[in-house]
Amino acid sequence: DQQVKQNSPSLSVQEGRISILNCDYTNSMFDYFLWYKKYPAEGPTFLISISSIKDKNEDGRFTVFLNKSAKHLSLHIVPSQPGDSAVYFCAASGTGTASKLTFGTGTRLQVTL
Amino acid sequence: DTGVSQNPRHKITKRGQNVTFRCDPISEHNRLYWYRQTLGQGPEFLTYFQNEAQLEKSRLLSDRFSAERPKGSFSTLEIQRTEQGDSAMYLCASSRPPRGDTQYFGPGTRLTVL
Repeated sequence: DQQVKQNSPSLSVQEGRISILNCDYTNSMFDYFLWYKKYPAEGPTFLISISSIKDKNEDGRFTVFLNKSAKHLSLHIVPSQPGDSAVYFCAASGTGTASKLTFGTGTRLQVTL
Repeated sequence: DTGVSQNPRHKITKRGQNVTFRCDPISEHNRLYWYRQTLGQGPEFLTYFQNEAQLEKSRLLSDRFSAERPKGSFSTLEIQRTEQGDSAMYLCASSRPPRGDTQYFGPGTRLTVL
C-alpha cells in the first residue's frame, strides 16, 4: 500500500520557467511533509518542509503548498535552473509514526537550456 | 558541523558473507534512522534509535539484520548471510527533537551482493 504517491515519474522544464512537482498521500495521520532532492549516488538532501497547520511555506525559489482536504501537496520551483535537475522525493511523517518518514517513488526533474 | 557520514560508500560481497556498515550522525542529534533504497523506489524505513535505544524496527528488517547504537553516537548495521535481494543503497539519517521529523541523510552505502 503506497501511502505517499508521486504519479509523475519525470518532468522536463525549460530554464527560467516554473517547475511543479506533485505528491498525494492517503494516511490522514500524516501531519508533516518534506521534499528532498537526490543526485545519483548521493543521499537525499532536505529542501523544504511544511506542517499540516499551514498551507504554504516558502524558502527562496522553493514553495510548498499543502491541500489537506485533497491530501495533496506540491513543490514549486521558480525560476528553474539547470542545477535543479535531480530526483525529487516527497516524504511524510505523523503522530504515531515515530517520526519515520514514508517516501514517494520520486519524480525526475530535468531542466533544459 | 560535518553532516552525516557513512562508511564504506560501496561494498561488494559474495552471497552468504556478512557485512557491516557504519553511520556517524550529526553531533547532538539523538535520533538516528536507517533506510534502504532500491532502484526506482523511495527510501524505505528500516529502524530507528533514540540515543542508544532501538525503538522501532520495520518488518523489512529480517532476522539477518541487526543494528546497534551502543553509546548513543555512531550506529552499525550488520547483515548476516547476505542474499542478492539485499543489494540496495543503505541510507542513514539523523534528527534532533523537539520535532525530529526533519531528517538529514548521509551519502549512503551501496551494497552489491554477487
